[in-house]
Amino acid sequence: DTAVSQTPKYLVTQMGNDKSIKCEQNLGHDTMYWYKQDSKKFLKIMFSYNNKELIINETVPNRFSPKSPDKAHLNLHINSLELGDSAVYFCASSQDPLAAHYNEQFFGPGTRLTVL
Amino acid sequence: AQSVAQPEDQVNVAEGNPLTVKCTYSVSGNPYLFWYVQYPNRGLQFLLKYITGDNLVKGSYGFEAEFNKSQTSFHLKKPSALVSDSALYFCAVRDMNNAGNMLTFGGGTRLMVKP
Repeated sequence: DTAVSQTPKYLVTQMGNDKSIKCEQNLGHDTMYWYKQDSKKFLKIMFSYNNKELIINETVPNRFSPKSPDKAHLNLHINSLELGDSAVYFCASSQDPLAAHYNEQFFGPGTRLTVL
Repeated sequence: AQSVAQPEDQVNVAEGNPLTVKCTYSVSGNPYLFWYVQYPNRGLQFLLKYITGDNLVKGSYGFEAEFNKSQTSFHLKKPSALVSDSALYFCAVRDMNNAGNMLTFGGGTRLMVKP
């Protein structure tokens, strides 16, 4: 049983296109996240959602927008794709962040986005 | 602001030898500290965490880490390395006062265990 799943696994597209990456977790977690891992493997948080409320929004371009239809899903929409958006995008989830003993995050397998 | 440093891009160790992957951190308050491992073409997997209590934390796959407040370090260790331990390791920190659970990751250390 997959805990955190992402689709698609690979995404190749042209500059200027709009694309979406889907994420689902079946862990019953309260918070979901999106991370970007660049070619040098640096990992940086992009968004965090807790009970449909955005609680973290790092300085990412507004071409990126997270959308959470329900607690189990946090999809990432990207408009007007640019070459620099090429990276691996990871979804993650965790329990209530205020509950210290449940702070570890569970990551999806990643989506490799290539913008040509 | 919180930050994490992993000073070594790569650590090489022979199978059966002990290994250490270094991590130092900076937070304004008390830290929550984590180690994650990433195998090729996979997502990150949680290894262990320090929240409070004993400074020596034991985690998955025989790994452990020691929290040292005076040196602001949280080095990852294993007494006897396996070839299958070869992977990318990330240290992460969260400020205990940060209600948003924002994790800051280090740059990663690639561990290479040779037979």
